[in-house]
Amino acid sequence: GNSVTQMEGPVTLSEEAFLTINCTYTATGYPSLFWYVQYPGEGLQLLLKATKADDKGSNKGFEATYRKETTSFHLEKGSVQVSDSAVYFCALRPRAGANSKLTFGKGITLSVRP
Amino acid sequence: NAGVTQTPKFRVLKTGQSMTLLCAQDMNHEYMYWYRQDPGMGLRLIHYSVGEGTTAKGEVPDGYNVSRLKKQNFLLGLESAAPSQTSVYFCASSSASGASYNEQFFGPGTRLTVL
Repeated sequence: GNSVTQMEGPVTLSEEAFLTINCTYTATGYPSLFWYVQYPGEGLQLLLKATKADDKGSNKGFEATYRKETTSFHLEKGSVQVSDSAVYFCALRPRAGANSKLTFGKGITLSVRP
Repeated sequence: NAGVTQTPKFRVLKTGQSMTLLCAQDMNHEYMYWYRQDPGMGLRLIHYSVGEGTTAKGEVPDGYNVSRLKKQNFLLGLESAAPSQTSVYFCASSSASGASYNEQFFGPGTRLTVL
């Protein structure tokens, strides 16, 4: 079956530090890959996505590259801000079928201190 | 354009009580989903719907029922609440085609406590 594995958390960083959050996946074929972010007290929002190998998704200074050879989709940001404090979820959606559903990782909490 | 809204935002139930959570979306999306979020478990799919009048089971459907009588609404019911159903519930919707295909839009969540 499909699965998403995220690095263990929580992660605490100082403002302006470099961020990497690891995500690896197991799926047949070529799934679409996503990062969702959940700010405190809110629902999830799509942060970025990539739909094929070597695609790079980017938004709000965050980037992730779809690596088929390592089945990974690591999230990076060069300089985090306090406002980036949130829970981050990696997810995949199989390509096959219009009804294909998202599979989420367990999420990781990021806290950025001033 | 309100997006996805959920009612209520908070609820406390006693074991055995019933309740219905309402999800509404104004984006004319075909697909709708109910998830639960528990610490250390991520999001798990309870039920979903690919169109008005159709529903299907997700990963953790036991103890829940759903209905999609109108395209814009997706109801989640708990017939006899149990403490194990204490969770935060999220509704989401997505389009079957177009530029935003593949993206799920989430509501703000309902925090349910079962005593």
